[in-house]
Amino acid sequence: TQLLEQSPQFLSIQEGENLTVYCNSSSVFSSLQWYRQEPGEGPVLLVTVVTGGEVKKLKRLTFQFGDARKDSSLHITAAQPGDTGLYLCAGDNDYKLSFGAGTTVTVRA
Amino acid sequence: KAGVTQTPRYLIKTRGQQVTLSCSPISGHRSVSWYQQTPGQGLQFLFEYFSETQRNKGNFPGRFSGRQFSNSRSEMNVSTLELGDSALYLCASRTDGNEKLFFGSGTQLSVL
Repeated sequence: TQLLEQSPQFLSIQEGENLTVYCNSSSVFSSLQWYRQEPGEGPVLLVTVVTGGEVKKLKRLTFQFGDARKDSSLHITAAQPGDTGLYLCAGDNDYKLSFGAGTTVTVRA
Repeated sequence: KAGVTQTPRYLIKTRGQQVTLSCSPISGHRSVSWYQQTPGQGLQFLFEYFSETQRNKGNFPGRFSGRQFSNSRSEMNVSTLELGDSALYLCASRTDGNEKLFFGSGTQLSVL
């Protein structure tokens, strides 16, 4: 059983469309991180959110952390083929990351 | 600055054998963590080492063990391999007190 539930599991969209990935948990985490992983590579950290209600923007990516620090979302505006990958959320408690199962995003040109 | 380096990149073993995987963290990073990634279970935490001491451990059987050397390099060992141990094993390093984790490209282990 995953401590963090991600939805949807798969997402396929056309270039230029928007998408949102959700990460939910019944546990509270000291911080929550979002990673992107490409085939054959390790995950690469995109952002860390720490404060409940926090919103962070990274170019076309917007990350939100829920007020109760149990859920988060990743929104991509005007997706591009380069955004294709496995998006993972991870909750951090005392140096131990718990990962969601991931959302596989495919952006078609 | 060199990233996290894992060797070997690919490994094929048979059931019952043992295997040792190696990880060199980013220079200056004293914390090294190991994760197992499978299609069914996703990424699962194995253990974390800091200054040659295991600081945290996940829910894996005793067949999975690790160690860290004085230069922060780490090794992970799996004994009596089972088919279910086939996975991508990822190593990650970070500076202490910083939640930012840097992953290596992993070792893809296949158990036949």
